[in-house]
Amino acid sequence: KAGVTQTPRYLIKTRGQQVTLSCSPISGHRSVSWYQQTPGQGLQFLFEYFSETQRNKGNFPGRFSGRQFSNSRSEMNVSTLELGDSALYLCASSSPRTGIYGYTFGSGTRLTVV
Amino acid sequence: QQPVQSPQAVILREGEDAVINCSSSKALYSVHWYRQKHGEAPVFLMILLKGGEQKGHDKISASFNEKKQQSSLYLTASQLSYSGTYFCGTEISKGGSEKLVFGKGTKLTVNP
Repeated sequence: KAGVTQTPRYLIKTRGQQVTLSCSPISGHRSVSWYQQTPGQGLQFLFEYFSETQRNKGNFPGRFSGRQFSNSRSEMNVSTLELGDSALYLCASSSPRTGIYGYTFGSGTRLTVV
Repeated sequence: QQPVQSPQAVILREGEDAVINCSSSKALYSVHWYRQKHGEAPVFLMILLKGGEQKGHDKISASFNEKKQQSSLYLTASQLSYSGTYFCGTEISKGGSEKLVFGKGTKLTVNP
């Protein structure tokens, strides 16, 4: 069974640009969550999508947005990049039966803003 | 709403035991535990549900005290492979309808 796939693995962008990250969940998983990971801050929740609808949103500015497609693949977009946006962005997918399987994370996209 | 983990870091010798704690200011429905090795994605260890029993996986087990809104992860007779950062994640309502919020992590180092 294929895992969670995130593309690209690495990105270097300059301040002010925008970026789009992609996440393909495990087949059959309809929930996709996005997290930002920086040293010392752990995993900060960005948003969660289920069946193309955003169910939950974290405390990030409106520059961070996302969407989910009918095949459950998800994208997140960051506009007007700032240096502080440099981080590892992780997505995780889960089935409705999270009581058994928990979340499965992708390997992440390492974003560097210069 | 972010759960608080303690300690922030632990250094052990192989074979020693460790306990990692996770506490929340809100009533919890579930607690997840994950381990992340350097340069890798977090990996699911176990989940504890409200009203559920203590879980175990090999020599790693966990408990969930609903009244105190706390969970503890127990690592017994630690192995070198246990090294990594451990995260607890908490849900405050029935799984699937609420976000999973993680603590800042506990870095565990197991030395020979």
